[in-house]
Amino acid sequence: SQKIEQNSEALNIQEGKTATLTCNYTNYSPAYLQWYRQDPGRGPVFLLLIRENEKEKRKERLKVTFDTTLKQSLFHITASQPADSATYLCALLAGGGNKLTFGTGTQLKVEL
Amino acid sequence: KAGVTQTPRYLIKTRGQQVTLSCSPISGHRSVSWYQQTPGQGLQFLFEYFSETQRNKGNFPGRFSGRQFSNSRSEMNVSTLELGDSALYLCASSGGTSEGETQYFGPGTRLLVL
Repeated sequence: SQKIEQNSEALNIQEGKTATLTCNYTNYSPAYLQWYRQDPGRGPVFLLLIRENEKEKRKERLKVTFDTTLKQSLFHITASQPADSATYLCALLAGGGNKLTFGTGTQLKVEL
Repeated sequence: KAGVTQTPRYLIKTRGQQVTLSCSPISGHRSVSWYQQTPGQGLQFLFEYFSETQRNKGNFPGRFSGRQFSNSRSEMNVSTLELGDSALYLCASSGGTSEGETQYFGPGTRLLVL
């Protein structure tokens, strides 16, 4: 069956360190993979998109890698700040239109 | 540009009732998607509308339906509500003409079924 797995446990790191979040998928051949941030009581906010033929994408302190052989994406936040504390969701697009399939999310807490 | 708006923000209903939720996309966006978010199942895709036509559908029972108007505003309806329908319902809009577009989410409607 198709599955998207993210670290189910919360990730606690110290301010200034690099946070690395994992997204693994099975039985998908996604054309795109997206990462979103969600704060409590709010809708998800788009962060980055990476295509199946791209290995890495960067935006400011964010970096995403995509390994279609391992069926895995890694999401890095460098020089993390308490304001980065949120739930981070990966989402796959496989097929036409905008049907996104989301992982369950990883809660990140950046401590002072 | 104004963001995606959803009304109402909160709703309490009882089992067996029906409910209609509304979503106004970002101006110029023609695609509206709906998602259900629960603690147990996470974010699950309900359906997508583009130019008043359903373009994609998730694995939800027929009690969940939607429609889109000519101004791209969308509504979703849930009939014969069950306790398990309690959730945050999110809509997202995008241009709709390319694959992998950024989805802009609204704040959601929190539905509680008693």
